[in-house]
Amino acid sequence: AQSVTQPDIHITVSEGASLELRCNYSYGATPYLFWYVQSPGQGLQLLLKYFSGDTLVQGIKGFEAEFKRSQSSFNLRKPSVHWSDAAEYFCAVGTPNSGGYQKVTFGTGTKLQVIP
Amino acid sequence: EAQVTQNPRYLITVTGKKLTVTCSQNMNHEYMSWYRQDPGLGLRQIYYSMNVEVTDKGDVPEGYKVSRKEKRNFPLILESPSPNQTSLYFCASSPATLNYEQYFGPGTRLTVT
Repeated sequence: AQSVTQPDIHITVSEGASLELRCNYSYGATPYLFWYVQSPGQGLQLLLKYFSGDTLVQGIKGFEAEFKRSQSSFNLRKPSVHWSDAAEYFCAVGTPNSGGYQKVTFGTGTKLQVIP
Repeated sequence: EAQVTQNPRYLITVTGKKLTVTCSQNMNHEYMSWYRQDPGLGLRQIYYSMNVEVTDKGDVPEGYKVSRKEKRNFPLILESPSPNQTSLYFCASSPATLNYEQYFGPGTRLTVT
């Protein structure tokens, strides 16, 4: 069975600083990889996804993520954080189940605080 | 506007009183799913549905029921709620095939006293 680890429960960065959120997964092959963002009181919104091809993926709101097969990682990055980026971020992996449908497993989330 | 809607958004109830949380999507998606979100545990899948009349258990199905009589609707039923079902619930939908992201509803915060 697949699993997802987000080792940082809470991260604080200054506005304008760079950001990297870590995500590691466990699965026997390359899964489908996602990053979602949850703003306070909101549902989850997709930031970006990786299925194959170029290992550096661009997403919305200036985010990018890099898939590293050797490290089983899919870390999320942003060069310059804005106060509006304060939210909770979830990494997720999708793998096919026995019926051919996608089974998605979420990490426990990283809460980002942005300080002036 | 393409969206997933949930009702109610907030609900306080008592132990044992049956309740239903509705979920509806207007994107003609085949796949729908229910998650619960608890602090420190992330999102855990309760049930999912691949199509009308086809449902299956997720990771934490105990105490929940679902039905999928129409493609657009996927209600979550708690026949005898207990305090350990106090949580934030999300409905999501997706095209049925692999490699598609899920579209989430705004969430339903349930408190069972």
